[in-house]
Amino acid sequence: GESVGLHLPTLSVQEGDNSIINCAYSNSASDYFIWYKQESGKGPQFIIDIRSNMDKRQGQRVTVLLNKTVKHLSLQIAATQPGDSAVYFCASSGGYQKVTFGTGTKLQVIP
Amino acid sequence: DTEVTQTPKHLVMGMTNKKSLKCEQHMGHRAMYWYKQKAKKPPELMFVYSYEKLSINESVPSRFSPECPNSSLLNLHLHALQPEDSALYLCASSQSPGQGASEQYFGPGTRLTVT
Repeated sequence: GESVGLHLPTLSVQEGDNSIINCAYSNSASDYFIWYKQESGKGPQFIIDIRSNMDKRQGQRVTVLLNKTVKHLSLQIAATQPGDSAVYFCASSGGYQKVTFGTGTKLQVIP
Repeated sequence: DTEVTQTPKHLVMGMTNKKSLKCEQHMGHRAMYWYKQKAKKPPELMFVYSYEKLSINESVPSRFSPECPNSSLLNLHLHALQPEDSALYLCASSQSPGQGASEQYFGPGTRLTVT
């Protein structure tokens, strides 16, 4: 089956620094990858996505990198702010609408 | 309107009760989902509806019964639940289902406690 996992359960970052959250996936058939942010008491919020025909995609202050060779995905947040504190999930899909979430990384921003 | 709404926000029910969770979206999305999320865990897919028809059931126990009355509404009927079913139930929607997934919009969830 498909599994998606994260390397670190908790990441503490100084405000203003860049954050990097990593994720490994196991299903080489996965062709769509998403990063979600979930704040306490809220549902997951879409941050950025990337399809398997790309290796990098940039948004506002966020960049997702995809390395299909080693089945690795990362989320880079530039100039991390206190409002970035949340749990971040990577998720992947091998087709249709079924999305599998990774275990989550808690990002703590130190003021 | 990019919002998915869910009611109720909180629900406490006994193991013999029957209750329903409701989800609504007005983005014209034709795929809708139910997820279950336990504390400090990722969301786990339960059901997917595509064009108002059930397309994926992730081997969910029959005490959970989904229903999609129309393209904007999604219900989850609950009956004879167990305490271990206590969790955050999330609804999501995405654009036209088909080959390849797309961005899902999540509601805030219903916090369910089974006593």
